[in-house]
Amino acid sequence: QQQVKQSPQSLIVQKGGIPIINCAYENTAFDYFPWYQQFPGKGPALLIAIRPDVSEKKEGRFTISFNKSAKQFSLHIMDSQPGDSATYFCAATGDRDDKIIFGKGTRLHILP
Amino acid sequence: DSGVTQTPKHLITATGQRVTLRCSPRSGDLSVYWYQQSLDQGLQFLIQYYNGEERAKGNILERFSAQQFPDLHSELNLSSLELGDSALYFCASSAGDSNQPQHFGDGTRLSIL
Repeated sequence: QQQVKQSPQSLIVQKGGIPIINCAYENTAFDYFPWYQQFPGKGPALLIAIRPDVSEKKEGRFTISFNKSAKQFSLHIMDSQPGDSATYFCAATGDRDDKIIFGKGTRLHILP
Repeated sequence: DSGVTQTPKHLITATGQRVTLRCSPRSGDLSVYWYQQSLDQGLQFLIQYYNGEERAKGNILERFSAQQFPDLHSELNLSSLELGDSALYFCASSAGDSNQPQHFGDGTRLSIL
């Protein structure tokens, strides 16, 4: 129940395309869903986060879509660029939890 | 730049040894979190300190310990090292005491020979 399942493991998209990374969770008590971006040799960086009271959140070219009934959320990257090539992690936690649970990550490569 | 500083960047040691990893949080942040990242386990939460006190504990082995000092920097001590402890160790910080890390350091890569 504490797992967050992320897919795909890796993704290759042409520049300008819209990569979509999906995550699913089981614990209905989760109420905070962040995405992190990690470049090689660097630590994860908080990219965007959503709470279940909204179905979508946009920040620049990054959009989270949230489906509470399906217990799924996804990251979309609009007009993707080679500089977006990185590993992306979804995560989930609840206010009553003492830790955040991460997905296993998606290695994204944007072709120039 | 996240403002979180971790030293050293790389550490190579042998089985059975003990090492100390150091983290300075972003200025003004009171919480420090430690994570272990490996290929098979992904990012795993180890422990959180808030303003010098242990706040939450995750999958931290008994051979591992941590502390946060009055100046808010933190150290993660790993002892009786095993080959399986080879991993990237990340420190993160945030202003409040929630379980949500805001700023990550660039990690310490620990290699056990």
